[in-house]
Amino acid sequence: DSGVTQTPKHLITATGQRVTLRCSPRSGDLSVYWYQQSLDQGLQFLIQYYNGEERAKGNILERFSAQQFPDLHSELNLSSLELGDSALYFCASSVVSSGASYNEQFFGPGTRLTVL
Amino acid sequence: DQQVKQNSPSLSVQEGRISILNCDYTNSMFDYFLWYKKYPAEGPTFLISISSIKDKNEDGRFTVFLNKSAKHLSLHIVPSQPGDSAVYFCAASPGNQFYFGTGTSLTVIP
Repeated sequence: DSGVTQTPKHLITATGQRVTLRCSPRSGDLSVYWYQQSLDQGLQFLIQYYNGEERAKGNILERFSAQQFPDLHSELNLSSLELGDSALYFCASSVVSSGASYNEQFFGPGTRLTVL
Repeated sequence: DQQVKQNSPSLSVQEGRISILNCDYTNSMFDYFLWYKKYPAEGPTFLISISSIKDKNEDGRFTVFLNKSAKHLSLHIVPSQPGDSAVYFCAASPGNQFYFGTGTSLTVIP
């Protein structure tokens, strides 16, 4: 158990809909990262938050947004869903603000999103 | 554009033998590299890392080798155990974010 929790574990929805994925980082971790893993793909970095502020952005679509709340939990919002958005979405947390400090990231179990 | 590549989707090894997992990268700005292990229905877990100032890092049965000139790193597991059967991801960072490979599924045959 990494200490990172993600809800829900599974989500099935229809095209055009909007969903919210939730992540609670490990106690004491200030950074939260979101990743997408599509079929046969590696983990694609989406976005990072540090202590409530956006810190780094990766290949995140404009239809997707995220935020980190004062209690440090984070939510990833996916809107106008398309079939191709079906994937595993992982959240990870770490103590420090950037990869430059090279702290390992602790991953949650993921949310499997299926768009029908 | 896949900056970190794991060209072998799968690998099978006999128990007790060496497992060698390979990873290639294209960005010369990457200076920190990690390996993660992932079991089904779980998130990836950190295994071992190496900074670009080193060419080798060992942790028990796991050794990571870095060849900067070839932009290549490898993970050696000796001896391989059935519990090592998992998907292994390599990741690299230039300092601001991590780039992951597509993973290699290792099966250790008892």
